[in-house]
Amino acid sequence: KAGVTQTPRYLIKTRGQQVTLSCSPISGHRSVSWYQQTPGQGLQFLFEYFSETQRNKGNFPGRFSGRQFSNSRSEMNVSTLELGDSALYLCASSPGTSGGGETQYFGPGTRLLVL
Amino acid sequence: AQTVTQSQPEMSVQEAETVTLSCTYDTSESDYYLFWYKQPPSRQMILVIRQEAYKQQNATENRFSVNFQKAAKSFSLKISDSQLGDAAMYFCAYRSEYAGNNRKLIWGLGTSLAVNP
Repeated sequence: KAGVTQTPRYLIKTRGQQVTLSCSPISGHRSVSWYQQTPGQGLQFLFEYFSETQRNKGNFPGRFSGRQFSNSRSEMNVSTLELGDSALYLCASSPGTSGGGETQYFGPGTRLLVL
Repeated sequence: AQTVTQSQPEMSVQEAETVTLSCTYDTSESDYYLFWYKQPPSRQMILVIRQEAYKQQNATENRFSVNFQKAAKSFSLKISDSQLGDAAMYFCAYRSEYAGNNRKLIWGLGTSLAVNP
């Protein structure tokens, strides 16, 4: 099975712009979670989508949003970019039906740099 | 709220030796899962091992094993016969069994492991 893929892998934007990141889960997985990784804050949960519905949400401002399509592919969008949004954004997929013990499989991440 | 603490920001080990990475967590829940993930320089997060809180038996995966002490809320990772490829950032993570917002992975800040030849 192909793993989790994320596009693009690297992105440079300027403050005030918006950005869209994409994640394709493992085939058959219906849950997609997004995490932000920064040196200062570590890994922070953004949100989880399951069957096109947001199932869980972290403590991020409304500038961070996401969606999931019928094929389980997910996108996250960050509007009005700030310097502090520079981070590695990780996407993880899992079947989504087996409770908290499900293993999440991670993509290679998208590294976003905001100038 | 649950928290995960990794008190060793950096560690090193000689090739073929054994090293133990520490992790403690805080929770009031009784059903949960604990994970160790490895993040090499490529940044790809890879699951190393998983432990169910209701299981007393410590999980083992080849050279990797854990020491799970539920009462002490401790979850350490032991790497035996360390190899150069084990050099990476290691993250301890917690996930509740319960539905809702508690189902997110909660992460420690990581331990950077260097393996010396």
